[in-house]
Amino acid sequence: AQSVTQLDSHVSVSEGTPVLLRCNYSSSYSPSLFWYVQHPNKGLQLLLKYTSAATLVKGINGFEAEFKKSETSFHLTKPSAHMSDAAEYFCVVSRASGTYKYIFGTGTRLKVLA
Amino acid sequence: GAVVSQHPSWVICKSGTSVKIECRSLDFQATTMFWYRQFPKQSLMLMATSNEGSKATYEQGVEKDKFLINHASLTLSTLTVTSAHPEDSSFYICSASPSGQETQYFGPGTRLLVL
Repeated sequence: AQSVTQLDSHVSVSEGTPVLLRCNYSSSYSPSLFWYVQHPNKGLQLLLKYTSAATLVKGINGFEAEFKKSETSFHLTKPSAHMSDAAEYFCVVSRASGTYKYIFGTGTRLKVLA
Repeated sequence: GAVVSQHPSWVICKSGTSVKIECRSLDFQATTMFWYRQFPKQSLMLMATSNEGSKATYEQGVEKDKFLINHASLTLSTLTVTSAHPEDSSFYICSASPSGQETQYFGPGTRLLVL
């Protein structure tokens, strides 16, 4: 069975400092992993995805994530936080069979302090 | 590219009425669309998977007669909340996958308030 765990429900950083949002997954095979961002009362926007190519994945808005199989992790990072990064972030693993249903993490709310 | 729209973005209705929400993939064809429900400050809960030209597959605990899903074309899926009640008030989000791909692209969501 697959699962995804977001280790922090809330993260606060100061503007201009690095961001680290942690995600661990469990899968019996090589998974596809995604990070999405959701701003208040909005839908989800795809930040980046890992699909068994390069382990370091670069996404939009300066975000990147590294797939580490040995640690079963897919942490999201950004070198310098911006106020506009304040949002909810979801780590997702996709089931490989059938209709590729998503399994969502519980989300991490990122707060950026001025 | 890969834009998904939802309409309406906001709807307020009286208890007992039905509400239809549309989900459209604007620049790609989507064999599969998904409908989610999101409660405040929670993650998304998958309600059903909508396949073009066939019956939707509902998740356990989701009443198919309550939440009617139609996926009549490769760019449009609709969710109808029948005989809505206050407990159906929620944020409903759809997503669509380009045919043959696993990445889902999400609509902006529809906020439903049932009075």
